[in-house]
Amino acid sequence: EPEVTQTPSHQVTQMGQEVILRCVPISNHLYFYWYRQILGQKVEFLVSFYNNEISEKSEIFDDQFSVERPDGSNFTLKIRSTKLEDSAMYFCASSESGRGSRNQPQHFGDGTRLSIL
Amino acid sequence: EDQVTQSPEALRLQEGESSSLNCSYTVSGLRGLFWYRQDPGKGPEFLFTLYSAGEEKEKERLKATLTKKESFLHITAPKPEDSATYLCAVQSNFGNEKLTFGTGTRLTIIP
Repeated sequence: EPEVTQTPSHQVTQMGQEVILRCVPISNHLYFYWYRQILGQKVEFLVSFYNNEISEKSEIFDDQFSVERPDGSNFTLKIRSTKLEDSAMYFCASSESGRGSRNQPQHFGDGTRLSIL
Repeated sequence: EDQVTQSPEALRLQEGESSSLNCSYTVSGLRGLFWYRQDPGKGPEFLFTLYSAGEEKEKERLKATLTKKESFLHITAPKPEDSATYLCAVQSNFGNEKLTFGTGTRLTIIP
């Protein structure tokens, strides 16, 4: 069964450093998402991406964050200058369709655990 | 603002002991309600989508139902492998595609 893959599984970074989290969505999916889950808290939406542009973002997704689909298979999340509070599990998700259609479910990867020191 | 509240936070059941998990929601026009299963250290795994009140979906020992204010995940004769955190999420007609999640119910099935 096709799945969303994320690398690395664990990233340790010094505060203030840039970090890039990578995702390979399911191949025929058109909508891509990033969520995060701080330890012990709920899964929170960060951003959705369709047709090479951001379609929605949350308040968490400030100027320190950016997303990119650099080629036909990868989808990345960059945090420009990491803070201690960015420590969390980051999940990538993808779906076949989105707004305007009977929405197909979002399928999640197993996440990248980001630890900021 | 969309809100999802799940109860109980944690539930321990004996193997074979049926029960239900609750998801109460407030949303500006429900486009879909989703149930996911999450194992420790893993991402959410999709289980069901429900679109309108009265709808039901079943998969093995799980059955999800939906009313205008809440959804239930019924677990019939659970097995230890059903142990996981079960997450409920909603999608609004007035957002784009974002899912708003609850905090989940941590289910433990004791052999």
